Amino acid sequence: RKEVEQDPGPFNVPEGATVAFNCTYSNSASQSFFWYRQDCRKEPKLLMSVYSSGNEDGRFTAQLNRASQYISLLIRDSKLSDSATYLCVVSPFDGGYNKLIFGAGTRLAVHP
Amino acid sequence: GAVVSQHPSWVICKSGTSVKIECRSLDFQATTMFWYRQFPKQSLMLMATSNEGSKATYEQGVEKDKFLINHASLTLSTLTVTSAHPEDSSFYICSALDRAVGGYTFGSGTRLTVV
Repeated sequence: RKEVEQDPGPFNVPEGATVAFNCTYSNSASQSFFWYRQDCRKEPKLLMSVYSSGNEDGRFTAQLNRASQYISLLIRDSKLSDSATYLCVVSPFDGGYNKLIFGAGTRLAVHP
Repeated sequence: GAVVSQHPSWVICKSGTSVKIECRSLDFQATTMFWYRQFPKQSLMLMATSNEGSKATYEQGVEKDKFLINHASLTLSTLTVTSAHPEDSSFYICSALDRAVGGYTFGSGTRLTVV
């Protein structure tokens, strides 16, 4: 079983749509959680960290359910520029002072 | 913000030759550097973790004699793919840990094609 699993997609949505991505992780000792965004042939860039209480950054909302080992990302009012691959990432120790384990990513395509 | 410069961006080499990839932290000290490999439509897979001045720790299944990592200074880490073969063709990315802020900064990646 993969350590971090995501639906590969692609999710094809029109501009303005709301889209949700899910992710599950297998290591219950994971302490830090992130969503990264990766554009084609580029390095991943941090989108947001994910906290147990849930957190929001503009149009993006992330949720964490430790009991279910489940992470989600909600994107509201999708823009064309949101088209990318979204990577669910976990790290075994708090503070991020350890390796990052990446999911394979969920591809999002936003069309006019 | 923190920047990691990775070179080269892409390289094509002949089978059997060696290729060196460099990652430099430009405005912070990277005591820890992570090296990842990404095949098309797959996740970034951690290859090894290196700490400045010590030997790298390799992930299971990664050949340490094939993928040589040197982290001799706080601002430079190198990955050398020795005797490269077509199956080594991949996207290699480094990531430096900036302990001052507790965040990771990624290099822009190196696309290696072995022919």
